[in-house]
Amino acid sequence: GAVVSQHPSRVICKSGTSVKIECRSLDFQATTMFWYRQFPKQSLMLMATSNEGSKATYEQGVEKDKFLINHASLTLSTLTVTSAHPEDSSFYICSASTGFHNSNQPQHFGDGTRLSIL
Amino acid sequence: QKEVEQNSGPLSVPEGAIASLNCTYSDRVSQSFFWYRQYSGKSPELIMSIYSNGDKEDGRFTAQLNKASQYVSLLIRDSQPSDSATYLCAVTVYNFNKFYFGSGTKLNVKP
Repeated sequence: GAVVSQHPSRVICKSGTSVKIECRSLDFQATTMFWYRQFPKQSLMLMATSNEGSKATYEQGVEKDKFLINHASLTLSTLTVTSAHPEDSSFYICSASTGFHNSNQPQHFGDGTRLSIL
Repeated sequence: QKEVEQNSGPLSVPEGAIASLNCTYSDRVSQSFFWYRQYSGKSPELIMSIYSNGDKEDGRFTAQLNKASQYVSLLIRDSQPSDSATYLCAVTVYNFNKFYFGSGTKLNVKP
């Protein structure tokens, strides 16, 4: 149980392109989803937390107009990197949890999306 | 001060030995504790959760929690080369739905 699917697994595109990444919880309802970015050999960096049906909460320093997050249903959240540039190249990972009201629940991670902007 | 602290390592142990990974946290109202394993280039996967003081065993893994001293540890018995990865400690703060991840400890198990 607790499977999170993230798609696509890898994206290579030109500078200026907008890229959408999908995160789906396949066998549970995810009231909360998290988006992380990880640069090589560095730790996870939380970008934003999204709860179904409400606006995402962004961490300090993360541009909400650059990284658009939509959490339209209990099983789907999307991250759109708008007008991506080479410095946005990174490993983006989503996670999902049922823990909005019960913080005992762990986060379950998707397989990540490796984004390369040329 | 970071909410969750881990030694970055690398921690090197020979195959078959016990690997001991430690994590300290700063928030005394932290309620739930998790250990994740992350292989290079992959996303983290949950391996253990622990909620109350004491030991919790699952196969070769044992999580230990000491809330008074604010530390949580992970023991890996009979370490295998396939255990070589970065181990992330995560702590949740009660009722705030906030997860705090440590920066991870890199474990190398030498054949």
